[in-house]
Amino acid sequence: DAGVIQSPRHEVTEMGQEVTLRCKPISGHNSLFWYRQTMMRGLELLIYFNNNVPIDDSGMPEDRFSAKMPNASFSTLKIQPSEPRDSAVYFCASSYHWGDNYEQYFGPGTRLTVT
Amino acid sequence: AQSVTQLGSHVSVSEGALVLLRCNYSSSVPPYLFWYVQYPNQGLQLLLKYTTGATLVKGINGFEAEFKKSETSFHLTKPSAHMSDAAEYFCAVTYTGKLIFGQGTTLQVKP
Repeated sequence: DAGVIQSPRHEVTEMGQEVTLRCKPISGHNSLFWYRQTMMRGLELLIYFNNNVPIDDSGMPEDRFSAKMPNASFSTLKIQPSEPRDSAVYFCASSYHWGDNYEQYFGPGTRLTVT
Repeated sequence: AQSVTQLGSHVSVSEGALVLLRCNYSSSVPPYLFWYVQYPNQGLQLLLKYTTGATLVKGINGFEAEFKKSETSFHLTKPSAHMSDAAEYFCAVTYTGKLIFGQGTTLQVKP
């Protein structure tokens, strides 16, 4: 299996621009998670989906952030408009949640820089 | 509410020495516990996990952790550090599928 795929790996954009991050989970997994990692705040869960349905978006920082999962093999995280404080590494993770199995597999991340 | 505390944001050991990374959790119900490792510019990789059963859990790369309910701890150990173990380590807890991560511990291995 190719693992969780994220694109782009690096994104540099100017303040005010729209940014879209993409994630392809591992085939067969039924849960998908978006995280943000910064030095100041560590690893934060932004939102997670189960069977393509958003279950918990309490970590989404504000209305400028939105996430979609139109099907089981694709998800996007959009920031519009972007701000310098959004600069971070964004990780996507997926898991097959069944019984006691909560193991998450992480993608390589997208490093976002907003200037 | 669940929470995870990792004691020590930086730990430095000599190559060949014992590695001990500390993790304490707070959970009102029996938790599922994880240790992840993150190498520079990479995503997180699962080292080991505790769900139920044996309290001493063995993981990859010679790491192991012991679940101690009485101490609400899940410390990570490795008998002999290798230079390649230098990375950031995260402890996490869940019982709902939503992982709660600690702040991470950076392990430095000196030659």
